[in-house]
Parts: sequence; C-alpha cells; structure tokens
Amino acid sequence: RKEVEQDPGPFNVPEGATVAFNCTYSNSASQSFFWYRQDCRKEPKLLMSVYSSGNEDGRFTAQLNRASQYISLLIRDSKLSDSATYLCVVNPSGSARQLTFGSGTQLTVLP
Amino acid sequence: EPEVTQTPSHQVTQMGQEVILRCVPISNHLYFYWYRQILGQKVEFLVSFYNNEISEKSEIFDDQFSVERPDGSNFTLKIRSTKLEDSAMYFCASPGRGALGQETQYFGPGTRLLVL
Repeated sequence: RKEVEQDPGPFNVPEGATVAFNCTYSNSASQSFFWYRQDCRKEPKLLMSVYSSGNEDGRFTAQLNRASQYISLLIRDSKLSDSATYLCVVNPSGSARQLTFGSGTQLTVLP
Repeated sequence: EPEVTQTPSHQVTQMGQEVILRCVPISNHLYFYWYRQILGQKVEFLVSFYNNEISEKSEIFDDQFSVERPDGSNFTLKIRSTKLEDSAMYFCASPGRGALGQETQYFGPGTRLLVL
C-alpha cells in the first residue's frame, strides 16, 4: 500500500463548480497533514494545513478522519487560477522532519 | 510566505560528471531539507540536515550524494557521478509554520537537472 494515495484524476471542471479531492495515508501514527498545490514545473506551495476538526480558508475546506486515515479537500466556486496539481502531504512525526507526498491530483478549471 | 532561494535554476551535465546544487534557506533555521521530483512523479524526500549533520536520509540518498553547509547561509547538494536517472527537479526546503501553527516546510523554486 502506498504511503499516501490520492484520487488519480485528472479533474476537468467548469468555472464555479465545486470539486473534492480525497487522500488516504497508511501510517496511523501520522501527526500532521497538509494540502500543497503545485503549478506546472514549479515548487510545491502550502495551500493549507488540515486539522482533525476540519478547517476552512475562503473557498477551501479540508477535513481529516483519523479513524479512516482519510483526508479531503473541497474547493467551492472554482476559479481558472485554481488549475494546478493538488498534493496531499503527511508528516509522520509531527515535527516536519520529513514530508511524505502523494502523487497529486491534477485539476483543470475550464472557462 | 518565507522565501527559499536556489541556484542554478537549470543545470545540464554529462553522465559521470559532478554537480553542485545550491540553496539559501530561510534564515535562523538550523534544519533544511532536500527533495527531488522526477518528471511526472511525486516529490520524494532525500535528506534532512541539522546543525551541520545529516539527520535523516532516504534510500535514494546513496553514497553518490552529499550535503554540506560551506558557509553560514548556503547549503549544497552534491551529486558525485551523475547518472541518467538523476535527471529531476531538486528542491530544498526550510521549516516553517502554516496559518494554523503546524510545522511544515517551505520549498525553494528548484533546480532542474538534466543528465545527458
């Protein structure tokens, strides 16, 4: 089983749509969880952290289910600028010593 | 978002040659990290470096790789004898905190290495 597994994608959605990405992780002792976004040939950029209680940042909502080892990201009212690859990232230790990345889910928002 | 810088942005080398990739991480951090991303694949951890020593390394980080801190602010990743399969984007990263206070990492823009 892969350490961090994501929806295969790609997702092609119209502007204004709501889209959800899912991710599962294998290490039940993992402490910290993040969503990063990566534009083509660029570095990963932190989108948001994920807390157990769920958290929201504008149009973005992240959820964590520790029992199922499942993380999700919901994007509402998609914009063209949301087109990117979304990376599910897990830190097993909680001290950010080594991040484990999923393969990413590609999103294209269409006009 | 704090800034991490890397040089060069692109490097083309012949197989068997040595390359040195440079990073200036966020200041006042003792930790920094190197990752690589082969085209079309996921980002993979290579090594973490703390206080002038390797803290953790992955299976990828074999004897052909080394990291150094040649001066107070710069860090380097050296690949001694490059192979074709070393062609990838190499990112360095510094610790940071997200908006909710969780420790995470901020990545530099990367060096794209092409081994011919």
